Amino acid sequence: AAGVIQSPRHLIKEKRETATLKCYPIPRHDTVYWYQQGPGQDPQFLISFYEKMQSDKGSIPDRFSAQQFSDYHSELNMSSLELGDSALYFCASSLRTSLSDTQYFGPGTRLTVL
Amino acid sequence: EDKVVQSPLSLVVHEGDTVTLNCSYEVTNFRSLLWYKQEKKAPTFLFMLTSSGIEKKSGRLSSILDKKELFSILNITATQTGDSAVYLCAFPSNRDDKIIFGKGTRLHILP
Repeated sequence: AAGVIQSPRHLIKEKRETATLKCYPIPRHDTVYWYQQGPGQDPQFLISFYEKMQSDKGSIPDRFSAQQFSDYHSELNMSSLELGDSALYFCASSLRTSLSDTQYFGPGTRLTVL
Repeated sequence: EDKVVQSPLSLVVHEGDTVTLNCSYEVTNFRSLLWYKQEKKAPTFLFMLTSSGIEKKSGRLSSILDKKELFSILNITATQTGDSAVYLCAFPSNRDDKIIFGKGTRLHILP
């Protein structure tokens, strides 16, 4: 079965650079979520989109923005990168209309900021 | 404030042993409890529990929910080295879209 796809899988950037992470949800899923997981931490919710509209916002820094496109893929744009942005970034997807709470996670993008 | 507490934080056993991981929760307007397995990458969905007393089973893994006592357990029988991972208990937030994770139980299986 198709899973959530994220790209790139690894990314190394320098401070003050920008980065764009991409997420392709499971086919027919209508909701996308972004999480950030620091070393030894549990995943922290950043932002979510339902049917291409922002649905909820968590602890996403103002330097980050995200959107969901007409094909339901989502991009997380990160600017003025800081060392503390180094983390695993997970995208998850779900089908909200299925009334299931289960979010299925992608493999993650490991971002390293030097 | 909604919260989930997992125990133990860390567990080391020999291959073939059976382990029980615990998750207790305090959630307003409880909808469901989720178990995920996280190795070095993304959390992998294991179970979603909504009803008390009904065991969910997948191979050597099983889980059950007690809504009266507000806890869930995840059992793994005949453990294998591939079971080594962090097991996360979680629930969907009532206020927004996020999943709230516990701190996890780090399970290490010795060959």
